[in-house]
Amino acid sequence: AQSVTQPDIHITVSEGASLELRCNYSYGATPYLFWYVQSPGQGLQLLLKYFSGDTLVQGIKGFEAEFKRSQSSFNLRKPSVHWSDAAEYFCAVGADGGNEKLTFGTGTRLTIIP
Amino acid sequence: DAGVIQSPRHEVTEMGQEVTLRCKPISGHNSLFWYRQTMMRGLELLIYFNNNVPIDDSGMPEDRFSAKMPNASFSTLKIQPSEPRDSAVYFCASSMGQRSGNTIYFGEGSWLTVV
Repeated sequence: AQSVTQPDIHITVSEGASLELRCNYSYGATPYLFWYVQSPGQGLQLLLKYFSGDTLVQGIKGFEAEFKRSQSSFNLRKPSVHWSDAAEYFCAVGADGGNEKLTFGTGTRLTIIP
Repeated sequence: DAGVIQSPRHEVTEMGQEVTLRCKPISGHNSLFWYRQTMMRGLELLIYFNNNVPIDDSGMPEDRFSAKMPNASFSTLKIQPSEPRDSAVYFCASSMGQRSGNTIYFGEGSWLTVV
């Protein structure tokens, strides 16, 4: 069965600093990988996704993520965070074979300090 | 375009009462998902429909929970009787069909408190 680990429960970053959120997945074949963001009181919004091809994917709001098969990782990065990036971030993995089920990680809460 | 629409946004109910949560997926989407989010368990998939047919309900916690999708534009999640441990945020989501990697779009959630 597929699974996702987000090892950091909470990260604090200064505004303007760079950001990297970690995500490790477990799945036997080629995974479909996603990053979602959840602002307080809101639903989840897709930031970016990886299916195949270029292992560095660009998303909305200046985010990018890199798929590294050898490390089973799909870390999310942003070169310079803004106060509005404060939110909860979820990594998710989907299986192939026509099943759309996503398995989510436990999330990383991002706090931005001035 | 309108996104996934859920109602009610907030509900407070007494233990033992029936709760019905409603969802309107994005027009043209034929897969629909119900997720539950709690602090303890995170995001859990409860049930997944494709073309109005339940494909996987293995995440439905127990018989008190039921979900229906009578047509392509409406789904309900019912809890009867409700218990305090059902307090959570329930998200409905939809996507464009049974193909892996389709983007799943989430509603804003129904915040349920059972007292």
